[in-house]
Parts: sequence; C-alpha cells; structure tokens
Amino acid sequence: GENVEQHPSTLSVQEGDSAVIKCTYSDSASNYFPWYKQELGKRPQLIIDIRSNVGEKKDQRIAVTLNKTAKHFSLHITETQPEDSAVYFCAARGQGAGNMLTFGGGTRLMVKP
Amino acid sequence: DTGVSQNPRHKITKRGQNVTFRCDPISEHNRLYWYRQTLGQGPEFLTYFQNEAQLEKSRLLSDRFSAERPKGSFSTLEIQRTEQGDSAMYLCASSPKRELNTGELFFGEGSRLTVL
Repeated sequence: GENVEQHPSTLSVQEGDSAVIKCTYSDSASNYFPWYKQELGKRPQLIIDIRSNVGEKKDQRIAVTLNKTAKHFSLHITETQPEDSAVYFCAARGQGAGNMLTFGGGTRLMVKP
Repeated sequence: DTGVSQNPRHKITKRGQNVTFRCDPISEHNRLYWYRQTLGQGPEFLTYFQNEAQLEKSRLLSDRFSAERPKGSFSTLEIQRTEQGDSAMYLCASSPKRELNTGELFFGEGSRLTVL
C-alpha cells in the first residue's frame, strides 16, 4: 500500500517568514495530494490540493509543488502569520476503492509573533 | 451545522469494556470513512463504506473492531474488549458520490477514547 513520509515534524518560524513542509510517497500510481490543517482540538480541514497532472498550484499565501518523478510534494506558506500555527498533514491517494487517503505523520508549525 | 457529526466526543472506559461511536455524515455524501489518530501522528485509515457496503478494511482493524452503516446514512464503530492501546481519536469523514467528488474528505470533530 501507499506510504507517506513527512518532514520536519516540528517547524518554528518568525512571523512574516516562509515555511516549507515536504512529503514523499511510495505509490507511483497516486494521483491526488491534499494538505490538511488541524488546529488544536479541531477537525482536519483541507487547505489546498494538487493532482498529478500539474506541477504547482497556488492559493494566496499557500502553494503546493509536485515532482512525480521523484515522488515528492511540498507545501509552501509565505508571509506566515500567528494564525497559521497548527499541525499540517500531507496525504496521498493511491490505488484502492473510494478516495482513501494515506496521511503523513504531520508537521507542527509554530509562528512566533 | 451541516458538517460531519460524531458522538460521543469523549469516552473514558475501563479496559475490557465495549464502546460504540456514531458518525452522521453530510447528508448527500454516500462515502464514509473511519480513521484513527494517536497523539502526534497522522490519521490512519480503518475502513470505508460506499452507501451501506463496507468496501475496504485496514489490517489495523482487528476482529475486536466492527463498523456498520446499515441504511447507508449514519455509521457506528464498535470496539469490543477495549485495550489501552485503543486509546486514540477516532475520526469519521465523508465525501460525495463520484460525479460530485473533488477528492476532499470532510472530517468530523472526532471521538476521543481513553482506556484506563
């Protein structure tokens, strides 16, 4: 089955700086790569996603890049704000029924004011 | 609130007891998923339903775990003879049928289980 590795596990940045979180996946047939944000005690919520037919997608301060050859994808947050502090999970959808996602282990992002 | 609803939100039980969690998905979603999340880890897939049919089960789902979705709407996850290692957050998620599906999973707030 699919295996997703995520790093770093914790990331501390100064407000206004950029943050980058990286993930690798194992199943070359995976075709959908979402990123979820989970605030303390809250549900995971989708913030951006990318499909295997594109290499980059941007939404305001958030961007995701995908390298299918190397089987890795990254989340980039620019001009970080304290409200960006949360745990971020990457995921990949591999083979199998439904839209089953395999998640990475998460990155705790702390944005210091 | 028309999002995914789970209850109870918290359950504390003694080892060996049975527990049941309920998930009410978004009403027009026919796909329903159960995930387990332990502290500091990402959600791990447990099982998946399309309507009332259970189509996928993870190896993580031991024979003490059973999930149902009898009418294709709400789902229950039962854990029998709980063990301390079952302590985790149990997340339910739903997504719409294929034609309307963007890939996004809509998660509930989760049911936190503590086994003493």
